[in-house]
Amino acid sequence: SQQGEEDPQALSIQEGENATMNCSYKTSINNLQWYRQNSGRGLVHLILIRSNEREKHSGRLRVTLDTSKKSSSLLITASRAADTASYFCATEYDSNYQLIWGAGTKLIIKP
Amino acid sequence: KAGVTQTPRYLIKTRGQQVTLSCSPISGHRSVSWYQQTPGQGLQFLFEYFSETQRNKGNFPGRFSGRQFSNSRSEMNVSTLELGDSALYLCASSFGAGMGTEAFFGQGTRLTVV
Repeated sequence: SQQGEEDPQALSIQEGENATMNCSYKTSINNLQWYRQNSGRGLVHLILIRSNEREKHSGRLRVTLDTSKKSSSLLITASRAADTASYFCATEYDSNYQLIWGAGTKLIIKP
Repeated sequence: KAGVTQTPRYLIKTRGQQVTLSCSPISGHRSVSWYQQTPGQGLQFLFEYFSETQRNKGNFPGRFSGRQFSNSRSEMNVSTLELGDSALYLCASSFGAGMGTEAFFGQGTRLTVV
């Protein structure tokens, strides 16, 4: 399987703290995307980073990509209760129009 | 703008039966992908359609099939259901013809095979 791996599998932090999740993958990619899934809203796209980019920001989200290590990280700053969800990374490879998914990190924000 | 709509939301079927799931993409989106999500295997790619053509297929048996209509709506069919087919089936639509475009997901169809 080409599925990526994410760590940690689960993360529990206090509201207001920062949360960092990591994703590793196996082969060269065109881009890597992060998604959030909770029971209320299904899978929601958070951010896309292309293979020639090293860092992207979107609001409280910061994503880095290290293609030499085949890894990415998602940082959520100043976490809120509403950030409680599972976070997945997904990669796109050459010309095959599919996303390969990591196993996800379950994030719990404690009030 | 309406989001991706999947019907039905929940389904219970018996082993050996067949099932058809429906997905209506966001208006103007021509690419539709299907994924299976289970606790054990995570999210697995089933197939992707663009303008009624299947461009890629995942590693699933031939019991899993799909199609896309001229209005971009898509259906997937699973024949001869097995207990292991119990899963959340997710449909995603995107605007672009190529890769690297944001995928918008529906809420999914929860299929239970008994």
